[in-house]
Amino acid sequence: KAGVTQTPRYLIKTRGQQVTLSCSPISGHRSVSWYQQTPGQGLQFLFEYFSETQRNKGNFPGRFSGRQFSNSRSEMNVSTLELGDSALYLCASSRDGIEAFFGQGTRLTVV
Amino acid sequence: EDQVTQSPEALRLQEGESSSLNCSYTVSGLRGLFWYRQDPGKGPEFLFTLYSAGEEKEKERLKATLTKKESFLHITAPKPEDSATYLCAVQAFGGLTGGGNKLTFGTGTQLKVEL
Repeated sequence: KAGVTQTPRYLIKTRGQQVTLSCSPISGHRSVSWYQQTPGQGLQFLFEYFSETQRNKGNFPGRFSGRQFSNSRSEMNVSTLELGDSALYLCASSRDGIEAFFGQGTRLTVV
Repeated sequence: EDQVTQSPEALRLQEGESSSLNCSYTVSGLRGLFWYRQDPGKGPEFLFTLYSAGEEKEKERLKATLTKKESFLHITAPKPEDSATYLCAVQAFGGLTGGGNKLTFGTGTQLKVEL
């Protein structure tokens, strides 16, 4: 059974640019959540999508956005990148029971 | 606001030396408490979900327990391959904010098991 797939694994971007990250959940899972992980703040919830609708949102600025497609794949977009956006971005999928399974993450570096 | 505090921040054990990691939490209504293991540069790996006080779950050398205020992850006779960061997270029931699958994480316990 394939796990959660995130692409790309690594990205280097320049301040002011925008970036799009992709997440393919486990087959049959309709819930996709995004998290930002940094050494100082740990894992912080960005947002969750379920059946193409944003169901929950964390305390991040509007530069962070996402969407989910009819096949449950999700994308996350960050516009006007700042140095502080450098982090490991993690995607988790769930069948909407409770257990969430994470992908390997996308390491974003903003220079 | 849901909060999770893990202790200790770091723990160094000798192989075979058993110990426990602590996770204290405050949550409006606990839907589930989760334990994950994370290796450097990788995503968290799911270990356990606990739903109610008194519940216990085991997997190999790991055993997780839950009370109304905290959870413990007991590691029995650890091996070097158990070295990792162990993360605790809580999920609350819905309510006005809609619930969903949001997890609130602690900052983790970094475990090092030496020969």
